[in-house]
Amino acid sequence: ETGVTQSPTHLIKTRGQQVTLRCSSQSGHNTVSWYQQALGQGPQFIFQYYREEENGRGNFPPRFSGLQFPNYSSELNVNALELDDSALYLCASSWQGSTEAFFGQGTRLTVV
Amino acid sequence: EDKVVQSPLSLVVHEGDTVTLNCSYEVTNFRSLLWYKQEKKAPTFLFMLTSSGIEKKSGRLSSILDKKELFSILNITATQTGDSAVYLCAVRNYGGATNKLIFGTGTLLAVQP
Repeated sequence: ETGVTQSPTHLIKTRGQQVTLRCSSQSGHNTVSWYQQALGQGPQFIFQYYREEENGRGNFPPRFSGLQFPNYSSELNVNALELDDSALYLCASSWQGSTEAFFGQGTRLTVV
Repeated sequence: EDKVVQSPLSLVVHEGDTVTLNCSYEVTNFRSLLWYKQEKKAPTFLFMLTSSGIEKKSGRLSSILDKKELFSILNITATQTGDSAVYLCAVRNYGGATNKLIFGTGTLLAVQP
């Protein structure tokens, strides 16, 4: 157990809908990053939040957005869902500048 | 473009065998290389390597980094069925987001009784 919790664990959405995924970081961690892991692939970096601001982004379109709250928890929002958005979404938390990130159990999103 | 390549993609062995998993990388401003084990969902941290030639060891697992040839290996000796998992290699570079990890596709290891 890493102390990073994500909700929900599974989700089914229809193409075109919007979805919000949530992550509670490990106690004391102030940085949260989000990854998308398609089946059979390694995780792909979406973005990172530190002090409630996005401070790094991967090659994902603007319909992927996020928030970080004062308690360091975070949300990932995806608008206009596409079939290819079906994946495991992982959240990782750490201290800013730390060398190790701890992953949550992920949210399995299926878009039909 | 930064990339991490793992081989083999999958591997089936019997309990007691020794396995070697490979990870090569091409990234700018290399900072560290990390190995994770992913059994169901959450990747769990195994090792972080920053210096060439220094072996990291934890029980039956060990890993080493070669920064000249740009690769790392993960060895597992006396494999057990509980070692069955996807093993992910990831690289972190300087600059940009602190925790941006560039992952390979992983090696799926199946250990048969």
